[in-house]
Amino acid sequence: KAGVTQTPRYLIKTRGQQVTLSCSPISGHRSVSWYQQTPGQGLQFLFEYFSETQRNKGNFPGRFSGRQFSNSRSEMNVSTLELGDSALYLCASSPREGGNTEAFFGQGTRLTVV
Amino acid sequence: QKEVEQDPGPLSVPEGAIVSLNCTYSNSAFQYFMWYRQYSRKGPELLMYTYSSGNKEDGRFTAQVDKSSKYISLFIRDSQPSDSATYLCAMGNFNKFYFGSGTKLNVKP
Repeated sequence: KAGVTQTPRYLIKTRGQQVTLSCSPISGHRSVSWYQQTPGQGLQFLFEYFSETQRNKGNFPGRFSGRQFSNSRSEMNVSTLELGDSALYLCASSPREGGNTEAFFGQGTRLTVV
Repeated sequence: QKEVEQDPGPLSVPEGAIVSLNCTYSNSAFQYFMWYRQYSRKGPELLMYTYSSGNKEDGRFTAQVDKSSKYISLFIRDSQPSDSATYLCAMGNFNKFYFGSGTKLNVKP
């Protein structure tokens, strides 16, 4: 069974630009969660999507948004990038809503904002 | 105050040592407790999870939860160089989880 696939693996953007990250969950998994990981703040929850609906949201500004498609693939968008948005963005899939105890993580997208 | 506190380390031990990794938390309502292992340039991998208090053992790994002290631990017996990674604790309820910042472990051959 293929794991969680995130693309691209690495990205360099300029302040003010926007970026879209993609996550393909494990086949059959309907829940996709997104996290931001930085050395200072650790792993912080962004949002969870289940059956194309956002079910839960962390404490991030509205510049961070996401969506989920009918095939459970998910995208995350960050607009008006700031230097502080440089981080590893991870997505995790699970078969059930809120299934963090059954979550599998992708390898992440390393975003650098210059 | 952060929801979850974890000593960032790094923790360096010789091969074969017993390793103790710990996290404290502030929210007494947390019911699910998990430990993840993250190798460099990889996403976190779920090692173990426990529901409510108590101990859980899986091979060389033992997870302990003490809800009265709001303290969780992960013990690694007979540590191996392949255990060198960052260990993250996570806890919460149904659909809201909080992660520790991770403890970097180095097991020296």
